[in-house]
Amino acid sequence: GDSVTQMEGPVTLSEEAFLTINCTYTATGYPSLFWYVQYPGEGLQLLLKATKADDKGSNKGFEATYRKETTSFHLEKGSVQVSDSAVYFCALRGALGDYKLSFGAGTTVTVRA
Amino acid sequence: DAGVIQSPRHEVTEMGQEVTLRCKPISGHNSLFWYRQTMMRGLELLIYFNNNVPIDDSGMPEDRFSAKMPNASFSTLKIQPSEPRDSAVYFCASRTSGGAAGELFFGEGSRLTVL
Repeated sequence: GDSVTQMEGPVTLSEEAFLTINCTYTATGYPSLFWYVQYPGEGLQLLLKATKADDKGSNKGFEATYRKETTSFHLEKGSVQVSDSAVYFCALRGALGDYKLSFGAGTTVTVRA
Repeated sequence: DAGVIQSPRHEVTEMGQEVTLRCKPISGHNSLFWYRQTMMRGLELLIYFNNNVPIDDSGMPEDRFSAKMPNASFSTLKIQPSEPRDSAVYFCASRTSGGAAGELFFGEGSRLTVL
C-alpha cells in the first residue's frame, strides 16, 4: 500500500541554520504529496503541497520538490527561526482521488535562539 | 470562517467510563475524518465519513469504539468502556471531497487521559 517514510528526529538547530527533512514515498501512479506542520498544542495544518512530478510547493520560506525519479519530497528552509519549532509531517494522497492521507511518523524540530 | 471545532479539549476519566468526543466540521465540507495521535503509533486514521456516511472504519481499533455523523455539521466518537491504552490526542479533520488534492483541515484535538 501507499506509505511515506520521513527522517526521524528530533532535530535541533540554531536560528538561521539550514533545515532539511527527508521524505520518501511508496505509491502506485502519481500521488499528491504534502507537508503538514503541527505547532505545540494545535492540530495539523497544511504547509505546502505538490500534485505532480517536478512541482515545487512553497510557503513561509519552506520548499519541497516532487521528485518522481527518487520518490522523494524533501522539505527545506534556508534560514529557520525559533517560531519554526514544531512537528513536521510528510503525507501522501494516492492517485485517482483516493480519500486517504498516509502520514509519516513526524519529525520534531526545535530551533534555539 | 470558523475552523473545525472539537470538544472537549481535555478529558480525564477513569477506566471503564464512557467517553464522547465531539466535532463540528467546517461548513460546506462533506468529508470528515477521525484520527488518533500517540507517541508510539503516530497519526492513525480511525474512520472516514463522506456525506455523513461511514466509508471506511477499518482503523477503529475495537468494538469499544464507535463513531456517528447524524448530520453534516456534527460527528461524535465514543469509547465505551474506556481503557488506559486509549489515552491519546484525537483529531477531527474535514475537507471537500472533490478535486485531486483537497486540503485537510484539522481541529485542535481532544486530549484524552484514561486513568
